[in-house]
Amino acid sequence: EAGVTQFPSHSVIEKGQTVTLRCDPISGHDNLYWYRRVMGKEIKFLLHFVKESKQDESGMPNNRFLAERTGGTYSTLKVQPAELEDSGVYFCASSRSPFSGVYNEQFFGPGTRLTVL
Amino acid sequence: AQKVTQAQTEISVVEKEDVTLDCVYETRDTTYYLFWYKQPPSGELVFLIRRNSFDEQNEISGRYSWNFQKSTSSFNFTITASQVVDSAVYFCALSGPQGHNTNAGKSTFGDGTTLTVKP
Repeated sequence: EAGVTQFPSHSVIEKGQTVTLRCDPISGHDNLYWYRRVMGKEIKFLLHFVKESKQDESGMPNNRFLAERTGGTYSTLKVQPAELEDSGVYFCASSRSPFSGVYNEQFFGPGTRLTVL
Repeated sequence: AQKVTQAQTEISVVEKEDVTLDCVYETRDTTYYLFWYKQPPSGELVFLIRRNSFDEQNEISGRYSWNFQKSTSSFNFTITASQVVDSAVYFCALSGPQGHNTNAGKSTFGDGTTLTVKP
């Protein structure tokens, strides 16, 4: 079974440009999460999809960030326009839908390292 | 609200020393899950362990051991006989109960502890 994949692995852009990060969850996983770690700080939750619906987007920092998951498969996270403080590592994770009494592991992707100059 | 505190920002040890990374958490959930992850210089998150709130047994896996104490809301991680390859950022995380609610499966992370093991 393939793991969670993220593309690109690294992205270097200039302030004001647009960047789109992609996450492919494990096949069959309805839950998809985005997290990010900005320099030296904790890994913070951004949002959670259940299939194509946004279940919780309380962690999205501002309206420069737009996440989509059309068709409930892969997800994209677009930053437009990018600012210096957006630099960090963006992680995606996925898990199955919960069944009673069974813990469903959250699998993390390798992350995308975003550098905004 | 959930919170995870890793008070140690950086730790530096010499190879073969034992080192303990502290983690203290806060949650109102009666069912919850605790995790440790390792982030090596290459950047990916490597899952190390998961513990659920009903299982307070300590666990040992090779040179790694974990001490879960509900009474003090702590989930500490010890590396015995540290090696240079253990150098990484280590994150403690907390997740609420899974289910069809807003917080289902969402993880709260600590700030991470950067461990440097010198030869």
